[in-house]
Amino acid sequence: DGGITQSPKYLFRKEGQNVTLSCEQNLNHDAMYWYRQDPGQGLRLIYYSQIVNDFQKGDIAEGYSVSREKKESFPLTVTSAQKNPTAFYLCASSIGGSRGLSGANVLTFGAGSRLTVL
Amino acid sequence: AQKVTQAQTEISVVEKEDVTLDCVYETRDTTYYLFWYKQPPSGELVFLIRRNSFDEQNEISGRYSWNFQKSTSSFNFTITASQVVDSAVYFCALSGYTGTASKLTFGTGTRLQVTL
Repeated sequence: DGGITQSPKYLFRKEGQNVTLSCEQNLNHDAMYWYRQDPGQGLRLIYYSQIVNDFQKGDIAEGYSVSREKKESFPLTVTSAQKNPTAFYLCASSIGGSRGLSGANVLTFGAGSRLTVL
Repeated sequence: AQKVTQAQTEISVVEKEDVTLDCVYETRDTTYYLFWYKQPPSGELVFLIRRNSFDEQNEISGRYSWNFQKSTSSFNFTITASQVVDSAVYFCALSGYTGTASKLTFGTGTRLQVTL
């Protein structure tokens, strides 16, 4: 079955350490996204990528970095510069605008990764 | 700027009750899309429905129905005869037609608790 795999599901990090969250999709989707979810704040967009080797900052990109070397993969690194990294991180994908109206595209989400900074 | 407001933080109902989740949005776009997603305890968001700004017809899918009213900028979601499996966080979201990626603005979500 096609879908999005996020790993690890739970991650603990000491302050000052970088950590990378994995996101892999086998849906042949062009666009991929990272969202952060905090209690009472809904989902906020961190980064998104429309095609391989290209990505754009979302609303809260500071302290995060991404890469898109393969269509299937969009890893997120939470750096030590992120002041409040404890959160639930969700990866998503969708078809790109070249294959349909971009605003109408439905996002498929992974099961999330919960990061806790000790 | 786009904004989605879900004023109900948490709702508790007894099984078989009907429940309506409110969603009010703000946008300057003339073409836009509205969505509802469900987040069960497992964590992943599940797509429920998409509506474009030119289609104000209400929609029914089984026990689920949606009421889209442009005049009040609302896109409310009703569950009829709720069941325990409906317990989840429900998000309303808004997207404009820009670029090649879908940039959703989410509301803060409504947690629905259905008990026996």
